Amino acid sequence: SQKIEQNSEALNIQEGKTATLTCNYTNYSPAYLQWYRQDPGRGPVFLLLIRENEKEKRKERLKVTFDTTLKQSLFHITASQPADSATYLCAQANTGGFKTIFGAGTRLFVKA
Amino acid sequence: EAGVAQSPRYKIIEKRQSVAFWCNPISGHATLYWYQQILGQGPKLLIQFQNNGVVDDSQLPKDRFSAERLKGVDSTLKIQPAKLEDSAVYLCASSQLSRDSSYEQYFGPGTRLTVT
Repeated sequence: SQKIEQNSEALNIQEGKTATLTCNYTNYSPAYLQWYRQDPGRGPVFLLLIRENEKEKRKERLKVTFDTTLKQSLFHITASQPADSATYLCAQANTGGFKTIFGAGTRLFVKA
Repeated sequence: EAGVAQSPRYKIIEKRQSVAFWCNPISGHATLYWYQQILGQGPKLLIQFQNNGVVDDSQLPKDRFSAERLKGVDSTLKIQPAKLEDSAVYLCASSQLSRDSSYEQYFGPGTRLTVT
């Protein structure tokens, strides 16, 4: 069955450093991967989408990569700030936007 | 533009009781999703609508959960009867087809259900 995995351990980094979060998928090839941010008590907020034929996407301080050989996506936040502290969710979907599967998320803490 | 609206925000019921959640998606969004998010886990897709038709309900426990989307706009999700393991946050999301086939989803604040 389709499965998507994120590092369940929280990531603690110092302000100004680059945070790197990992998303691995098995047993399938998703048409695209999405990254969302979720704060406590709130719904997820869309950040970035990367398609299977794209290697890298950037948006301001965010960068996401998609390696179909390793079956992995990396999500980077450069020059991290305490306000970036949140849970980051990776999600995959098939062509047409069907069968969305979310990972469990990785909790990021950025210390001032 | 207004975001996805959900109500109620919180609900506490006893097991075997019934409960219903309401969702109003972003205007013009054809696709509506209901997710269940258990504490410490990612959202799990329960059902996906395209306009007022169901396109995926493979993970919906149909013996107790039901959902409908009237006139392709608002949607309700019902649980009858509730079990203790149904305690979770129920998230509604909507999306639209864009020219580049992006399916980014916009989420509501969720309804936190506690079954005692």
